[in-house]
Amino acid sequence: GIQVEQSPPDLILQEGANSTLRCNFSDSVNNLQWFHQNPWGQLINLFYIPSGTKQNGRLSATTVATERYSLLYISSSQTTDSGVYFCAVPNSGGYQKVTFGTGTKLQVIP
Amino acid sequence: DVKVTQSSRYLVKRTGEKVFLECVQDMDHENMFWYRQDPGLGLRLIYFSYDVKMKEKGDIPEGYSVSREKKERFSLILESASTNQTSMYLCASSLDGLDEAFFGQGTRLTVV
Repeated sequence: GIQVEQSPPDLILQEGANSTLRCNFSDSVNNLQWFHQNPWGQLINLFYIPSGTKQNGRLSATTVATERYSLLYISSSQTTDSGVYFCAVPNSGGYQKVTFGTGTKLQVIP
Repeated sequence: DVKVTQSSRYLVKRTGEKVFLECVQDMDHENMFWYRQDPGLGLRLIYFSYDVKMKEKGDIPEGYSVSREKKERFSLILESASTNQTSMYLCASSLDGLDEAFFGQGTRLTVV
């Protein structure tokens, strides 16, 4: 099945700093999602981004499908950005199945 | 607004009990999913359903069953709960297999 790796695994930021999270995948995909898992465990949709660039406030994402990676940018980070960020792509073997990346745990300190 | 609702946020059950985790979506989605999340193991798919009364095994179906009698509701059943089923359970839905998925708030199940 498809392999999805995220980097870095852990990240500590001072409030106000910018960061880039990366998601690499081993096979071609026709969709990709970014999620933020908050400290209570809920997965919040950030972006549905098969290709190109999208922006939502302080967050933006870029997927380069031909090169098999996606980037999530967080600007002017806030303590509420803390949590784990996952990317997820459909499995090549079955379209209903989704493979999640390993996650990036972000801690934003005041 | 898109909504996936899980019946409980926290649940404590005894070993051997039959446990029902309920999930309801209000988006008329075809697909619904149950995942469990464990430290170091990430999110793993237990079962999914692509239509009413239809179900498919995911990666770790052992010890679980599911029920989808109505389109909006997908239930995960632990026939005889065991301590190794202590975990975070997440329900999701999507319009079709390639579409954006939406998650419920999660249920933290502890089996004692």
